[in-house]
Amino acid sequence: EVQLVESGGGLVQPGGSLRLSCAASGFTFSSYSMNWVRQAPGKGLEWVSYISSSSSTIYYADSVKGRFTISRDNAKNSLYLQMNSLRDEDTAVYYCGKFLAYGMDVWGQGTTVTVSS
Amino acid sequence: QSALTQPPSASGSPGQSVTISCTGTSSDVGVYDYVSWYQHHPGKAPKLMIYEVTKRPSGVPDRFSGSKSGNTASLTVSGLQAEDEADYYCSSYAGSNNFVVFGGGTKLTVL
Repeated sequence: EVQLVESGGGLVQPGGSLRLSCAASGFTFSSYSMNWVRQAPGKGLEWVSYISSSSSTIYYADSVKGRFTISRDNAKNSLYLQMNSLRDEDTAVYYCGKFLAYGMDVWGQGTTVTVSS
Repeated sequence: QSALTQPPSASGSPGQSVTISCTGTSSDVGVYDYVSWYQHHPGKAPKLMIYEVTKRPSGVPDRFSGSKSGNTASLTVSGLQAEDEADYYCSSYAGSNNFVVFGGGTKLTVL
């Protein structure tokens, strides 16, 4: 079964850091690009970051550029999102997703990040 | 404010058809055939329903169809069923600067 499982969410103070992980199984992880997408409370989906299969190409949304870093370890079938200088507006459910034609055909269940003092 | 514009709500009775629009610009929907549609039941993982404007992933019922005209893409759900009640989001490739943009979502209610 193709599956993505996020972890690492939690409560963090403004200005703090958090590292999200996404464990992939059921497909050849190293062959696919991956994305992070988030959904703030009561809001719609927002694309956050993209990484190609070999990590050679990376993109970020302007809202997180310079603060978030996406990475992957193909040997461990894992995707990561290092989040620094967190702000209240980063509070959201964060989803990882397998890339397909500039969309995502497999999504995890999400991990919740709450930025609050 | 989302980059793509969707109506906040749509509704239809069981068995009817409903169409949800997604309006972008000549920098995204209008120029790229990379529009996707997602179904999202709150608390669950979003599900890809349509990609590349018209293509359905395996397992998605053919009651769901996509189209595009100019800067506006559309998702049509035919033969509405109770389980179709969910939030629907569109997204589009927007070039290497913005990469992917989403719509604000449409809450579909089956009356």
